[in-house]
Amino acid sequence: EMQVVESGGGLVQPGGSLRLSCAASGFLFNNYYMSWVRQAPGKGLEWVANIKEDGSETYYVDSVRGRFTISRDNAKNSLYLHLNSLRAEDTALYYCVRDNYGDNGAIWYFDLWGRGTPVTVSS
Amino acid sequence: SSEVTQDPAVSVALGQTVRISCQGDTLRSYYANWYQQKPGQAPVLVMSGKNNRPSGIPDRFSGSISGNTASLTITGALAEDEADYYCNSRDSSEFHLPVFGGGTKLTVL
Repeated sequence: EMQVVESGGGLVQPGGSLRLSCAASGFLFNNYYMSWVRQAPGKGLEWVANIKEDGSETYYVDSVRGRFTISRDNAKNSLYLHLNSLRAEDTALYYCVRDNYGDNGAIWYFDLWGRGTPVTVSS
Repeated sequence: SSEVTQDPAVSVALGQTVRISCQGDTLRSYYANWYQQKPGQAPVLVMSGKNNRPSGIPDRFSGSISGNTASLTITGALAEDEADYYCNSRDSSEFHLPVFGGGTKLTVL
C-alpha cells in the first residue's frame, strides 16, 4: 500500500524552529517530486514547498521562502521540512504530499496525501 | 490572493447535478485538478487534467474546461458528496508554482 506518514509537529514559540518528517512507503520515492501543503485551522489549502526527484531543485511559496527548507533523503524514503523563524500565521496542519505531473508540466497535481502533522506557533 | 478563485459555497438537491467552478487566467495554459476534503480528513484527488478520474472515484464526477474556467461536475449528487472541494493549478510566477483555490463548500440538501 502506498502511503506517506508525517511526524514532528508540535507547539513552538514565535521565532522558534521545528523539523517535520515524512516517511514514504509502497512506491518508488526517488521517482517523484514531493511537496508540503498546509492548512490553517478552518482555512483552505496552501502549497508550501516542493523538491525535485533528486533533490537538486527546491521551490517555495513567497511567505516561507528564506525561513523554511525542504529536503529529502532518497536512501531513507524520507522528506523533511525545516521550519525556522516561526510566526503565528504558520500555525497549520502540514501535509506531506506526492506530486505528479504530465503533458510537459501542463498538468501538476497531488495524488497521495498523508494525514498531516499539526504545528502550533504560540507563546 | 490566489491566482485561481472559487465560489465559497454551492448547494445542490439530492440527486441533482451541480457544477463547481475554478477561474483564473493561468487555466488557459495549465489544467485544473480537483480535491475533495471531508471534515477531519485529508484531501483526496478526485479529478486531474482534462477529465481523468483516479481509480475508485465514481463516474458521477467529471471535469471540463472552457477558456479560463475549469469545472467539476457531479451528476446525481449523493449525501456523501457533501464536502469542501479545492481546485489547484499553477501560478503565473517565473517557476509556475502550484497554487490552490480557496475552496468551495458543497452542501447536499
